[in-house]
Amino acid sequence: AQSVAQPEDQVNVAEGNPLTVKCTYSVSGNPYLFWYVQYPNRGLQFLLKYITGDNLVKGSYGFEAEFNKSQTSFHLKKPSALVSDSALYFCAVSPSPYGGSQGNLIFGKGTKLSVKP
Amino acid sequence: DSGVTQTPKHLITATGQRVTLRCSPRSGDLSVYWYQQSLDQGLQFLIQYYNGEERAKGNILERFSAQQFPDLHSELNLSSLELGDSALYFCASSAPGTIGAQYGYTFGSGTRLTVV
Repeated sequence: AQSVAQPEDQVNVAEGNPLTVKCTYSVSGNPYLFWYVQYPNRGLQFLLKYITGDNLVKGSYGFEAEFNKSQTSFHLKKPSALVSDSALYFCAVSPSPYGGSQGNLIFGKGTKLSVKP
Repeated sequence: DSGVTQTPKHLITATGQRVTLRCSPRSGDLSVYWYQQSLDQGLQFLIQYYNGEERAKGNILERFSAQQFPDLHSELNLSSLELGDSALYFCASSAPGTIGAQYGYTFGSGTRLTVV
């Protein structure tokens, strides 16, 4: 069975510092990995995905994620955090890259990111 | 606006009642997914429909049911409601094939259900 783990319930960083939100996964076959962000009282917004190719994936709002097959990890990173990055971040895995008839997203529990001025 | 429309945004109802949540997917998307988000369970996948047919089932209770109509909108029916059903219910949609791979899943803003 596919699963995703986000080991940290909360991550606190100071504005301007780099941030990392951790995600590990367990899949059979090729992993299709996603990061989503959720702001208060809003739906989830797509940040970035890894389907295949370059292990470093760049996404929205300056975020990037590094796929590490040997460590089964897909950590979300940003070189310089902003207060406006404060939100709930979800890592997710899908059995299908297309989100069509074959798959659905399995989400981690989420990590609350708090960026202080 | 994500393009996925969910109504109503808020719903307050009593235990034992039945409610219907509605979702209109983004134009061109064939798949609709329903998720339940609660504080203790996180985001739980409930059910997926693809072009009118049920394709995958997750942790959906027997008291819950869903369908996708020919115009591709979907409804999630929750019956015999209990206090523990209070949660945020999200609908997401995705396009088939390479378009889906490019854009991922698009989520609506959710329906907040409160059972009192």
